This record gives sequence, C-alpha cells and structure tokens, in this order.
Amino acid sequence: NAGVMQNPRHLVRRRGQEARLRCSPMKGHSHVYWYRQLPEEGLKFMVYLQKENIIDESGMPKERFSAEFPKEGPSILRIQQVVRGDSAAYFCASSLDSGTGASDTQYFGPGTRLTVL
Amino acid sequence: SQQGEEDPQALSIQEGENATMNCSYKTSINNLQWYRQNSGRGLVHLILIRSNEREKHSGRLRVTLDTSKKSSSLLITASRAADTASYFCATSNDYKLSFGAGTTVTVRA
Repeated sequence: NAGVMQNPRHLVRRRGQEARLRCSPMKGHSHVYWYRQLPEEGLKFMVYLQKENIIDESGMPKERFSAEFPKEGPSILRIQQVVRGDSAAYFCASSLDSGTGASDTQYFGPGTRLTVL
Repeated sequence: SQQGEEDPQALSIQEGENATMNCSYKTSINNLQWYRQNSGRGLVHLILIRSNEREKHSGRLRVTLDTSKKSSSLLITASRAADTASYFCATSNDYKLSFGAGTTVTVRA
C-alpha cells in the first residue's frame, strides 16, 4: 500500500509565477490536509478537504492560495503570483477518518519544497 | 499561537543512552501524536495517545500523557544513530493538528 505521494518534490518559481503542488492520498483515504513548514519551525495547518469539498481553510492565506480535491485525481494546492515569503516546505497528509474517529491518524507525504527566486 | 511546545529545543546524547523530550500544550485535546522528521524529509508518525490514556509503548518508544498538567513526554530507550532527527508533538481537538517547533535529537556514535 503506497503512502501519501507528493509531487514535485522540489519546485523553483520566480516571483509572480504560479506554483501547483499535487498530493495523492493513501489508498482508501478520503481526508486530505495541507500544512506549511517554514525553516526551523513546526508545521502549520492550512486546509482540510474531503472529496470535492473544502471543509476548513482557516489556515490558508485569503489571497493567492487555493486548494481542491476533485472527485478524480490528486489534491492540488495552488499558489498564484508567488512571492519570496511563500518559500517553504508544503506537506500533505491523509487519513481514513477525521476528528476523534478510531482511524484519525494523519499520514504525511514527503513534502514539496518550494523556492521562490 | 502554537499549541504544542517541545522542550528541550535540542538534545545531544551518546548511542545507547535514553533520550527524553517533553511537550506542553495549552487547551484541551482529544489526542496527542508524536512524529519524527529526518533532515529535509517528510514526517513519520510514531505514536498516538488519546486523552483518556496515560501511557503507551511502541518498541523503544514510551509516551506518557498528563492531561492535568497538559504535558506529554517521549522517551526513546537505547538510542541509535538512526534516531537522529527532529521530533514533533502534535495536539488535536478534531482534525487540525497543531505542531510545536520540535526537539532536534543528535545521537553520537
């Protein structure tokens, strides 16, 4: 059973370009979470999605950032008009259940390291 | 503000010694999880302890949880060089994990 897959692993963009980060959850998992990690810091929650629904995007900047988890295909985190401050590692996690369920352990992907020049 | 705060920030030990790190949090939780992150890599889930549990073991790992003090500890026994990594605690009330800044553990051969 493959784990959470993320691609690309490294992404370099110039200021003003768009960044698209992809995440395929573990097989059978329908809950996806995106986190951002700045250097020397812990991960910060960005958004929680289920298939075709955004459940909680309270951790996501209001502008330039969007996320989706379509019926078919991976979850996408999209950053428009990137700025240097967007440089970070972006991690995706998935779980079988959420909240206080018995299967709410979140399994993380290897991350995408975004560098904005 | 961050929910989990690990202590110490960094720890250096000799191979074979035990490593203990602590995590404190501010609000009530449903569960607390510990993760390991090797440099430049993703997070590996180590152990989950629920708010109604006090202690949990997994191999060389021992986790305690004291909800009255809002704190948890992670003990790694008989450390190995491969245990060198950053360790994070993450608290959860629902689906949102709140991470601390981590404890960086270096195991010297």
